[in-house]
Amino acid sequence: GIQVEQSPPDLILQEGANSTLRCNFSDSVNNLQWFHQNPWGQLINLFYIPSGTKQNGRLSATTVATERYSLLYISSSQTTDSGVYFCAGLGGSSNTGKLIFGQGTTLQVKP
Amino acid sequence: ETGVTQTPRHLVMGMTNKKSLKCEQHLGHNAMYWYKQSAKKPLELMFVYSLEERVENNSVPSRFSPECPNSSHLFLHLHTLQPEDSALYLCASSPTTIANYGYTFGSGTRLTVV
Repeated sequence: GIQVEQSPPDLILQEGANSTLRCNFSDSVNNLQWFHQNPWGQLINLFYIPSGTKQNGRLSATTVATERYSLLYISSSQTTDSGVYFCAGLGGSSNTGKLIFGQGTTLQVKP
Repeated sequence: ETGVTQTPRHLVMGMTNKKSLKCEQHLGHNAMYWYKQSAKKPLELMFVYSLEERVENNSVPSRFSPECPNSSHLFLHLHTLQPEDSALYLCASSPTTIANYGYTFGSGTRLTVV
């Protein structure tokens, strides 16, 4: 079955709007983290968030590990927030550092 | 600069060519990875090296051959590729293979096979 599932697949926002991205993950995935891939392909690590809530500027993330989901909040969005947001977790079946990725949410922020 | 450097950024190669992708990390990490990102598909792990020893080969065809001469450098040697191998190839590193805190990706090599 699907181990990491993200929603929505696509999102278009007007600059200044807020948004919430969701990530559901299965029992075989742990140590959730969020990445942002910019239009040039660069994957930037946003949050390492196995549980709890973290904030970094306009971004914050919450993971409820017992319910197997994580949320990424973007407030006062800017055009530079555009790109693809991935959540990923460590595959739990072996100690190989394998990250299991979701399909991503493609965000477009319009000026 | 993310601490993980990949070269080249772009590569176009014919199906009979041999080329190599290079990755270098400056973070003192012990684990290094190759991932493949194809259009409309999630990132897929290809290979894992821990302290220069390969610990995972995720059913990758033999036309892809990794090499890890030391814990800071990782190569992906390519030969007789197919057009469906065209993708973004991403290198990553992490402190160890049992913790993903500090997982860092390079900028990727966009490969086109013609």
